[in-house]
Amino acid sequence: EDKVVQSPLSLVVHEGDTVTLNCSYEVTNFRSLLWYKQEKKAPTFLFMLTSSGIEKKSGRLSSILDKKELFSILNITATQTGDSAVYLCADSGGSNYKLTFGKGTLLTVNP
Amino acid sequence: DAEITQSPRHKITETGRQVTLACHQTWNHNNMFWYRQDLGHGLRLIHYSYGVQDTNKGEVSDGYSVSRSNTEDLPLTLESAASSQTSVYFCASSEPGLAGVQYFGPGTRLTVT
Repeated sequence: EDKVVQSPLSLVVHEGDTVTLNCSYEVTNFRSLLWYKQEKKAPTFLFMLTSSGIEKKSGRLSSILDKKELFSILNITATQTGDSAVYLCADSGGSNYKLTFGKGTLLTVNP
Repeated sequence: DAEITQSPRHKITETGRQVTLACHQTWNHNNMFWYRQDLGHGLRLIHYSYGVQDTNKGEVSDGYSVSRSNTEDLPLTLESAASSQTSVYFCASSEPGLAGVQYFGPGTRLTVT
């Protein structure tokens, strides 16, 4: 059974800080690692990392995948209050497109 | 624009009643999923479907059922609602070949009293 563990579970920072969110995974047949952002509503897709794409960047957000050590990190630089959300990590293992989610990291950015 | 919708958005029901939550997507995705989200547990998979007439159990399927009669809809039924099924329910869909990227509906908040 796939397992995804995120840390920390919650984090409080001030605007302008840089944060790093962690995600470790154990999968039987790795396909991809995904990051989602959830702001009191539906999760919205951020990044997908695969064996052929181990680093992604979009504006102030970036993510890397370490397939050897089985973890991923999500970095947010120059945080803004609008970055406050739960960040979810999920792995897509096996051949059936199911996602196994971690419990999420609650990020609070204070002005 | 293509989208995924859920109804109702909020529902209060009594223990023992049958409840059906609707999910409708206009992306023509083959894969559809139902999750529940609870504090401390994250998103947990209830049932999923890879196409018409196909349904599969997820990790927390007891007390729930789904049916897939067309590509667009995957209704979730609680056979006999229990207080433990009070939760926020999300429907999602994806297209095979995108290595798992799922798009989520707005969610249904269900309270069982």
